Amino acid sequence: RKEVEQDPGPFNVPEGATVAFNCTYSNSASQSFFWYRQDCRKEPKLLMSVYSSGNEDGRFTAQLNRASQYISLLIRDSKLSDSATYLCVVIAPSGSARQLTFGSGTQLTVLP
Amino acid sequence: DTGVSQDPRHKITKRGQNVTFRCDPISEHNRLYWYRQTLGQGPEFLTYFQNEAQLEKSRLLSDRFSAERPKGSFSTLEIQRTEQGDSAMYLCASSPSGTGSEKLFFGSGTQLSVL
Repeated sequence: RKEVEQDPGPFNVPEGATVAFNCTYSNSASQSFFWYRQDCRKEPKLLMSVYSSGNEDGRFTAQLNRASQYISLLIRDSKLSDSATYLCVVIAPSGSARQLTFGSGTQLTVLP
Repeated sequence: DTGVSQDPRHKITKRGQNVTFRCDPISEHNRLYWYRQTLGQGPEFLTYFQNEAQLEKSRLLSDRFSAERPKGSFSTLEIQRTEQGDSAMYLCASSPSGTGSEKLFFGSGTQLSVL
């Protein structure tokens, strides 16, 4: 089983739609969680951290479910510019705290 | 531009040749990481430096790969006797120490093609 798993998609949604991605992790001792965004042929960029209580940044909401070992990203009122690959990142203490593990990414295409 | 810079952007080489990539992190960041990414996959951890010390190296990293960060600033990643399976995007990232240390800033990467 992979340490971090994501549905690869692709998710094709119309503008204005709400879309949600999940990411599961295998190490129950994982401590920190993030979502990164990667545009085609570009480097990953941090989108948002994921806090235990859940957090929101504009149209984006991230949630953590420790019991079920997954994190989620919800995008409301999707825009064409949201089209990208979304990578979840998990940090577990068993390795180096700096050894972030990336999921394979979920591809989103927002259609006009 | 004070972001992470990588050189070259693209490298085409023949199997068996050696290649070296350079990464210049954000100047105030003392942590530097190398990742490798292939199409349809997320970045895969290769190695990590704190200042000039290489603190961790992936078990997946063969002995053909070596990385250095001699003065705690820029870093180089060398691949000896390249194989076609080494073809990938090699990404460098940096982060500060302390608060925010887990938030990585990536360079644009070096795309390696081994023919």
